[in-house]
Amino acid sequence: GNSVTQMEGPVTLSEEAFLTINCTYTATGYPSLFWYVQYPGEGLQLLLKATKADDKGSNKGFEATYRKETTSFHLEKGSVQVSDSAVYFCALKSNTGNQFYFGTGTSLTVIP
Amino acid sequence: EAQVTQNPRYLITVTGKKLTVTCSQNMNHEYMSWYRQDPGLGLRQIYYSMNVEVTDKGDVPEGYKVSRKEKRNFPLILESPSPNQTSLYFCASRPTDSKFSYEQYFGPGTRLTVT
Repeated sequence: GNSVTQMEGPVTLSEEAFLTINCTYTATGYPSLFWYVQYPGEGLQLLLKATKADDKGSNKGFEATYRKETTSFHLEKGSVQVSDSAVYFCALKSNTGNQFYFGTGTSLTVIP
Repeated sequence: EAQVTQNPRYLITVTGKKLTVTCSQNMNHEYMSWYRQDPGLGLRQIYYSMNVEVTDKGDVPEGYKVSRKEKRNFPLILESPSPNQTSLYFCASRPTDSKFSYEQYFGPGTRLTVT
């Protein structure tokens, strides 16, 4: 089956610290992988995506690389800001179906 | 402005009283979907629709109904709500053309409380 596992939160970092949020997946076929971000009181927004192995998605200083050999899509940012405080969701869509599968979300708080 | 809208944003109701949460998108997307978000469980897909008159169950469809009579609208119906349906609900849409890489656009959410 299809599933996404991401690291438990909450995560609290100081401004300018390095961020890693781990995400691993199980999927049938060749999935597309996504990171979504949810700011307080808002809906989810696409942060970045990768549609095939070894692709790197990037946006707003965040990066994630689609690693088929380790079935992972870890989110990284070199220097976080207070404005990055949000909940981050890893997600996948298998190429053999039309459903999306989300992880449980990781809450990030960045303190000045 | 391209957007997905949901109404109401907040709703408190009692067990057994039928309710409908509306969802509308102005992007001419074929695909629409409903999710519920619960602490520790993330987002779980309730139903999705690939186009008008085509709907399919997601992971947690029990207790919900949907319909897709028009491309822009995808209402979520709870015929007899129960307290375990207290949750935050999101509607989403996306084009089905794969060149758009399956990016979904989410509505602002509906906070439902069933007492």
